[in-house]
Amino acid sequence: GQNIDQPTEMTATEGAIVQINCTYQTSGFNGLFWYQQHAGEAPTFLSYNVLDGLEEKGRFSSFLSRSKGYSYLLLKELQMKDSASYLCAVRAPNTDKLIFGTGTRLQVFP
Amino acid sequence: DAMVIQNPRYQVTQFGKPVTLSCSQTLNHNVMYWYQQKSSQAPKLLFHYYDKDFNNEADTPDNFQSRRPNTSFCFLDIRSPGLGDAAMYLCATSRDSSSGTYNEQFFGPGTRLTVL
Repeated sequence: GQNIDQPTEMTATEGAIVQINCTYQTSGFNGLFWYQQHAGEAPTFLSYNVLDGLEEKGRFSSFLSRSKGYSYLLLKELQMKDSASYLCAVRAPNTDKLIFGTGTRLQVFP
Repeated sequence: DAMVIQNPRYQVTQFGKPVTLSCSQTLNHNVMYWYQQKSSQAPKLLFHYYDKDFNNEADTPDNFQSRRPNTSFCFLDIRSPGLGDAAMYLCATSRDSSSGTYNEQFFGPGTRLTVL
């Protein structure tokens, strides 16, 4: 079966750092994506990992451990506009289809 | 700007009245996807196309159909909408993985469907 787990909700303070975890059990793996989705809007691409390690992109970083079936998205210097849902998605081998987690709703408070 | 466009952004239909949602793209991507997303849930893949090669998911209801007349356009037809079909419908595009890049999916703004 395919299973992707993320915490449902998280809260953090403006200027802080937050880590959103994602664990997956899927029949095969060909990359993990993180998307940001503001309420009522479409998901927008944040990051991609296919090899183990950390990918850094400005305030956002994403980490992958394939042996543990684990990824996290790290958001630094949080801003109010970072309040959104963050979706973890896994791509299976030999396909371009993504399997999405239910997302983590992050609320940033002043 | 290259983009994915969905029309309309909001659609209201009556129970059982057929409805068509449209998607167009200027990215020239060969893969197009239709997702259904209900409140606080993950996007659920309904269909995808490699060029005109149609693929539907095993659990996509028969009530849903799709057409892709050319590279740029894709349509989602709901033949007899039920109350449970009220959702956000997202169209996305990507290059296929044979192009060698990580091929992220680009999403349109979505169409929010209300069924009365």
